[in-house]
Amino acid sequence: AQSVAQPEDQVNVAEGNPLTVKCTYSVSGNPYLFWYVQYPNRGLQFLLKYITGDNLVKGSYGFEAEFNKSQTSFQLKKPSALVSDSALYFCAVRDIDRGSTLGRLYFGRGTQLTVWP
Amino acid sequence: DVKVTQSSRYLVKRTGEKVFLECVQDMDHENMFWYRQDPGLGLRLIYFSYDVKMKEKGDIPEGYSVSREKKERFSLILESASTNQTSMYLCASSFPGPEQYFGPGTRLTVT
Repeated sequence: AQSVAQPEDQVNVAEGNPLTVKCTYSVSGNPYLFWYVQYPNRGLQFLLKYITGDNLVKGSYGFEAEFNKSQTSFQLKKPSALVSDSALYFCAVRDIDRGSTLGRLYFGRGTQLTVWP
Repeated sequence: DVKVTQSSRYLVKRTGEKVFLECVQDMDHENMFWYRQDPGLGLRLIYFSYDVKMKEKGDIPEGYSVSREKKERFSLILESASTNQTSMYLCASSFPGPEQYFGPGTRLTVT
């Protein structure tokens, strides 16, 4: 079965410090992995994805994510956090080896990131 | 840019009413999805569709139905709204790329 775990409900970091948001996944085959961000009362915005190749992928707004197959993890990172990065972050996985449900994503429960000035 | 629009940002309905939530995408995407989002539960998939007139149940389809008569439009229907359907409803579309693009959401309150 496909699933995603985000072990931290909340992450707090000071502006200018590096941030990390954790995610682990479970799929029966090979994964596509995604990070989304949600600002209050808004829909989800796509940040970045891992399909294949380099384990470090770069996305929007200076975010990047590191894929680790042996640890089945996909951690979101940013070298220097901004107050405006404060939002709800979701990790998602798609099993590329499944049949008829190729299109669906499985989401984690989200991690609330707060960056304080 | 992909644009996914939802018919209402906020809705207030009474218990027992029939409720329609509309979603339209402008990028000729094959796949469309309906989720509900509740605090602490993340996103849960209600229904999805890979083509016109085609639908598949997600994880929580009970109490909901969907309609996809045109490729760009995917409707979520609450046949008889109940208070436990008060939630944020999010529509998304995708394909050919694997990532999904989301609308702004509809916050539905059933009283």
